[in-house]
Amino acid sequence: GAGVSQSPSNKVTEKGKDVELRCDPISGHTALYWYRQRLGQGLEFLIYFQGNSAPDKSGLPSDRFSAERTGESVSTLTIQRTQQEDSAVYLCASSPRNRGAQFFGPGTRLTVL
Amino acid sequence: GNSVTQMEGPVTLSEEAFLTINCTYTATGYPSLFWYVQYPGEGLQLLLKATKADDKGSNKGFEATYRKETTSFHLEKGSVQVSDSAVYFCALSENFGNEKLTFGTGTRLTIIP
Repeated sequence: GAGVSQSPSNKVTEKGKDVELRCDPISGHTALYWYRQRLGQGLEFLIYFQGNSAPDKSGLPSDRFSAERTGESVSTLTIQRTQQEDSAVYLCASSPRNRGAQFFGPGTRLTVL
Repeated sequence: GNSVTQMEGPVTLSEEAFLTINCTYTATGYPSLFWYVQYPGEGLQLLLKATKADDKGSNKGFEATYRKETTSFHLEKGSVQVSDSAVYFCALSENFGNEKLTFGTGTRLTIIP
């Protein structure tokens, strides 16, 4: 596709449930990033993929958060046993190898009740 | 660690006014610097970037100069328009090869006719 796509665009879940968020990067982009934007705050880095390996997971806030990537394509971010503080917009971005500009998807707005 | 501090908003200006949004950074190496913009109802977009000291990034009438001596990357525009109303994020990336972004908290700009 022309840009980064994410699904679902909105997700409402109950506390304690697991959720899975999907990101389709721009074709040919080897680097993929997940960020989180909580209300009134800046974006926080979560995890970085180069291909299907994740050399930097330092931003994942707890072991309830995990992510995987298939080759240089789709990535899924999974949050287990969701908590209310997980409510945020989750953004995915991709970039070509060794380039500084990241292209962002529209985000998934997660609301945990 | 790395950090970005930007001017707190919200900022409200009249059309054709001069705009400055301040941004300063802390980094251990030689980062690339970015301004991203989020228009109402849209995803995050790269506005401009600079990759080394004294570089000037420019786009859509906006400019920012990478000042290593003051660790700053202030965003300026000579004459703002109503269509410039958005949230502006200053960001940096470091470590060539893992270019995760560290963001400021964002500045909401509203331009009134």
